[in-house]
Amino acid sequence: AQKITQTQPGMFVQEKEAVTLDCTYDTSDQSYGLFWYKQPSSGEMIFLIYQGSYDEQNATEGRYSLNFQKARKSANLVISASQLGDSAMYFCAMREPGGGSEKLVFGKGTKLTVNP
Amino acid sequence: EPEVTQTPSHQVTQMGQEVILRCVPISNHLYFYWYRQILGQKVEFLVSFYNNEISEKSEIFDDQFSVERPDGSNFTLKIRSTKLEDSAMYFCASSEHSGTAQETQYFGPGTRLLVL
Repeated sequence: AQKITQTQPGMFVQEKEAVTLDCTYDTSDQSYGLFWYKQPSSGEMIFLIYQGSYDEQNATEGRYSLNFQKARKSANLVISASQLGDSAMYFCAMREPGGGSEKLVFGKGTKLTVNP
Repeated sequence: EPEVTQTPSHQVTQMGQEVILRCVPISNHLYFYWYRQILGQKVEFLVSFYNNEISEKSEIFDDQFSVERPDGSNFTLKIRSTKLEDSAMYFCASSEHSGTAQETQYFGPGTRLLVL
């Protein structure tokens, strides 16, 4: 079974509008971390935002916020006031430290295109 | 702002040749990682490294791969005899701590390896 599922291969949004990128995850651990990374066409992986499984508040970082619904095992990224520079691939990832694992497991990504 | 650096940015090699990909992690980080991303696919974990030894590796990380921290700053990935299917973007990442879910891994810009 997929650990991280991103069901939207591509999304389009108008500049200045908000967009939600979906991510669902599968884990039996109580302690885990969820991350979002941005990958522009140049290829680098840029960390955007983190949500811990025990965090009661949704994480926010500037225009990025994470809509964390633990019971539904979803961690959707919300980008407010989209900018042209937000056009990129977006990857959701999870880390399950129980058992000593340090690796990030990534979803397949969502390609976001911001239209002027 | 401290960042992970990687060299070279691009490498082209012939099948069967050895390649060494180099990374300089963030200076106060203790945990180092290699990931790869085959073109158009998701990012996959290869190996993690702490205290001068491998702490975790994936099934991709077979005997053809090795990692080393030859000095206090560099972290290298060696592929002994490259195959066509090794063509991918290789990312180095580092984190300050591990063992908890919230330690963010910061990625370098990647090395794009092409095996001919």
